[in-house]
Amino acid sequence: QSVLTQPPSVSGAPGQRVTISCTGSSSNIGAGYDVHWHQQVPGTAPKLLIYGNNKRPSGVPDRFSGSKSGTSASLVITGLQAEDEADYYCQSYDTSLSGFYVFGAGTKVTVL
Amino acid sequence: EVQLVESGGGWVEPGGSLRLSCANSGFTFSNAWMSWVRQAPGKGLEWVALIKTKTYGGATDYAAPVKGRFTISRDDSKNKLYLQMNSLRTEDTAIYYCVTVDSSGYYSLDYWGQGALVTVSS
Repeated sequence: QSVLTQPPSVSGAPGQRVTISCTGSSSNIGAGYDVHWHQQVPGTAPKLLIYGNNKRPSGVPDRFSGSKSGTSASLVITGLQAEDEADYYCQSYDTSLSGFYVFGAGTKVTVL
Repeated sequence: EVQLVESGGGWVEPGGSLRLSCANSGFTFSNAWMSWVRQAPGKGLEWVALIKTKTYGGATDYAAPVKGRFTISRDDSKNKLYLQMNSLRTEDTAIYYCVTVDSSGYYSLDYWGQGALVTVSS
């Protein structure tokens, strides 16, 4: 059971907007720790997509955006493209016994 | 360009040992906190271990499932990260990724290697 909660799957047609939620608790996101998002295309290693809640590393398209409020965070993909079909994991830092670097179970994004 | 290349994966019987290595280039390894993260077949990501830099005394931390069995270490002179895995169990079967860790306050996992597959089976 993951410390952070994500929906198992979301889907959308090309060009649409999809949102992935990530819910934590008072020992991680609610404690003020940042949320980060990682993209994993099937058969490849994960890649950092968003860090510090809403910052994009160099090279990440601006159709990806993130936000955080209270004990939750969201990743939004606007203008969905075929190459966005992947698994997306939220990640934060936790001060309980769960382990320091915690993840959500991942959300599969399907482009219809 | 940042590159992390894992090696040392393979098949081992339950109770056995294996050592993973990660060769790093494209950044100042001695200044980087490093972690191992694993992914069991068809499952999500799980943080395994962390090692800080010499500035922080090379402090280490481990996830509860591996504490006492796994040891993370680093050789800054060789730009290499290691994970010694002892008393392996079938549930340790996974792809193990070498990852750089932000130490500026974000606590993000920044750059990922391509992974090394470890299979624990009789």
